[in-house]
Amino acid sequence: DQQVKQNSPSLSVQEGRISILNCDYTNSMFDYFLWYKKYPAEGPTFLISISSIKDKNEDGRFTVFLNKSAKHLSLHIVPSQPGDSAVYFCAASARSGAGSYQLTFGKGTKLSVIP
Amino acid sequence: NAGVTQTPKFRILKIGQSMTLQCTQDMNHNYMYWYRQDPGMGLKLIYYSVGAGITDKGEVPNGYNVSRSTTEDFPLRLELAAPSQTSVYFCASSPSLYEQYFGPGTRLTVT
Repeated sequence: DQQVKQNSPSLSVQEGRISILNCDYTNSMFDYFLWYKKYPAEGPTFLISISSIKDKNEDGRFTVFLNKSAKHLSLHIVPSQPGDSAVYFCAASARSGAGSYQLTFGKGTKLSVIP
Repeated sequence: NAGVTQTPKFRILKIGQSMTLQCTQDMNHNYMYWYRQDPGMGLKLIYYSVGAGITDKGEVPNGYNVSRSTTEDFPLRLELAAPSQTSVYFCASSPSLYEQYFGPGTRLTVT
């Protein structure tokens, strides 16, 4: 039972255009959402996050939108650059029993930005 | 400041062998995590720690053990390796409750 779903395994976008990566979740207890970027043979790196009390967070070319009623979030990259080509993971955070927070990851979307 | 380091980078084990995956962070983070990533899948939490001496199970803990004797180190022990444990293992640390910093990963094959 996937609590965090990224239904598009891959996405191709022309350089300079907008990339939109989508993520759906089922657990209402998630209170924080993050996007990670992963290059081959490297660990994931944090990209941007959003609290469940907000509906938008922007950082340079990256914007994350959250629609709580639809349990949906999206990552917009504008303009897309070839260096953005990577696998993007959506993650959601919920409090665990030991006083920490656990991240639940989606399966990832591979973004290819074509020059 | 090296961040999160993991050793080894690659390892091939025979079925039934044991090994320890090492993870060290130099950022003085209290929270540390171990994940595994299978092909085409997201990361799944194996174990985590909220501080030295405190560990807890994640989503897929069977076949693994951890310890946290210092803030810096969080080794993952595999006992009696099985082919199902073939995966890429990532260690992460966090200064807060949310954002996590990942190491480069250990690619493990069990044959």
